[in-house]
Amino acid sequence: GAVVSQHPSWVICKSGTSVKIECRSLDFQATTMFWYRQFPKQSLMLMATSNEGSKATYEQGVEKDKFLINHASLTLSTLTVTSAHPEDSSFYICSAGTGPLNEQFFGPGTRLTVL
Amino acid sequence: KNEVEQSPQNLTAQEGEFITINCSYSVGISALHWLQQHPGGGIVSLFMLSSGKKKHGRLIATINIQEKHSSLHITASHPRDSAVYICAVRRGTDKLIFGTGTRLQVFP
Repeated sequence: GAVVSQHPSWVICKSGTSVKIECRSLDFQATTMFWYRQFPKQSLMLMATSNEGSKATYEQGVEKDKFLINHASLTLSTLTVTSAHPEDSSFYICSAGTGPLNEQFFGPGTRLTVL
Repeated sequence: KNEVEQSPQNLTAQEGEFITINCSYSVGISALHWLQQHPGGGIVSLFMLSSGKKKHGRLIATINIQEKHSSLHITASHPRDSAVYICAVRRGTDKLIFGTGTRLQVFP
């Protein structure tokens, strides 16, 4: 149990386009979802926390207009990278939990390359 | 100084060896997580601990709250255990704070 999926697993896009990444909890209802990015050989960096039905809470330094997060249901959250630039190329990982004190389950990640 | 420190940063072992990875933290926590990240990038949650010890197969995780220290042990290591092992702590209901990871390579 407790499976989290992400789609797509990798994406290559041109500079200036927008890319949407989906995160789904397959066998449980996730009240909270987290979005992270990870640069090569570095640790995960939290971008934002989203709760179903409410606006996401962004970490300091993360542009909310650039990284749009929607958590429309208890099993789906989406991250849209708007007007992507090469510096947005990274590994994006989501995690989902059933509450702030409960275990987080991580998705397999999405590798974004912006040309 | 990072709030979560892991040691060693890199670790190589021969198949069958007993492996220990350490995690020290400097803040009060409500839980500590051990995560495994394979070369492809996917992350698997191995343990969530708030006290004592947990065991799953060949993996054992311990935590000492007073000393602010946790260890992850792998018994009878195998090449498929090669991965980055990440310690992460949670303060109350706050976000996770991640260590920088320990890169483990197990050779046949």
